[in-house]
Parts: sequence; structure tokens; C-alpha cells
Amino acid sequence: QVQLQESGPGLVKPSETLSLTCTVSGGSISSDYWSWIRQPPGKGLEWIGYIFYSGSTNYNPSLQSRVTISVDTSKKQFSLKLRSVTAADTAIYYCARVLRASGVTLFYFDCWGQGTLVTVSS
Amino acid sequence: DIQMTQSPSSVSASVGDRVTITCRASQGISNWLAWYQQKPGKAPKLLIYAASSLQSGVPSRFSGSGSGTDFTLTISSLQPEDFATYYCQQANSFPPITFGQGTRLEIK
Repeated sequence: QVQLQESGPGLVKPSETLSLTCTVSGGSISSDYWSWIRQPPGKGLEWIGYIFYSGSTNYNPSLQSRVTISVDTSKKQFSLKLRSVTAADTAIYYCARVLRASGVTLFYFDCWGQGTLVTVSS
Repeated sequence: DIQMTQSPSSVSASVGDRVTITCRASQGISNWLAWYQQKPGKAPKLLIYAASSLQSGVPSRFSGSGSGTDFTLTISSLQPEDFATYYCQQANSFPPITFGQGTRLEIK
């Protein structure tokens, strides 16, 4: 079964760029959509954006000016870059797979990484 | 953006109880709704999608219903492992995909 694992620095300085990678194992990265979702400590879930294996993307308008999601199918990885971070970007960052049921893509999230806490602080 | 509002924000219940959690969308979303369960320190787990379809491997005591703006998640007989926080999520109109604020289910 597919497993996802986030990796990247746990501490980022204000105004710098947060960079995370999600590695897909146990299955193919092709034919699916992949997403990033974050959760500030003790708070709710916020969708960041998604990418199709071909490279097409869709972002949350509230973050669009600062976010880039990319994919490397040869490495079975997709990545998140969030620029000009502030303390408000401190959160657990999850990567997730978008559900495909009976060959149809449904924009729910059926497989998640364990999450990685990123703290923005000097 | 479509706002998702869950009620109650928290609920206390006992093992064996029947519990219902409600999610209301700020505009009609047909049946484009999912429910997730999240336990402390863990990633969310998909329970229900398309308002009423049970995700593979999820116990049948979980059920979902609703369409349009009003949705419910029902747990027919609470088990000890069901105490967690539950989130709804809409996938009708995006970006952005949006979640409810969460409902914490606690042991009475």
C-alpha cells in the first residue's frame, strides 16, 4: 500500500523559504493528484494546494503568491516551497494523496504522511 | 470561499452511545463532502466521502448523510478508539478546498 513521508528542516527563519519534500513508496506517483495540507498546533486543517503527476497545480488563493508545488516522478517525490515565511506559517505540514475511486478523481484525501512540524523562528 | 461550520465544537459521550456531528456549508455543495477522524499526534484518516460512502476499512458504525448545505456524521455505538477530533471537508467548489473547524469527541 502507498505510504507517504515528509522530509525537510524543522526550523526556518522568518522571511526565508520553507522547503519540504514528500516521498511516495509502495505505489506509483503517476495517474494521481498529490496535495499539501497544514495544521497550526492545536488548530484546524488548511489546504495549501495540489499537483497532478504531469505537473499541473492548483493553490489556495490565500497562499498562492508565496507557494510553489513541484513533482519529480523519477524520484517519486513532490515538493512544497513557501516563501517569505512568518510565525503564522508555523504548523504541522502533511502531504496527502487525492482519492481516486472507480477511476474517478475525487478531491478528498485518502492517504496521508505522518506530518512534519515546521517552526518559523529566528 | 465556501465556509464549513461544524457543531458542536466538542461533545462528551460514553462508550456505546450514538453520536451525531453536524457540518453546514455556507452554500450548496451537492454531496461533495468528506469526514475525517484525527487522533492526537496522528494524521487525519478519511472515514466518509461523497457524503455517505464509507472508505475502505472503516467500521460500519460510521455513517454519513446529507446533501446541499447540511450534513451529518453518525457513530452508531461509540467504541473507545472513536474518541478523537472529527473534521468535515468540502470538495465542490475550489480553490480553496476547505475544512470545518473540527469537533472534539471526548469521553464522558
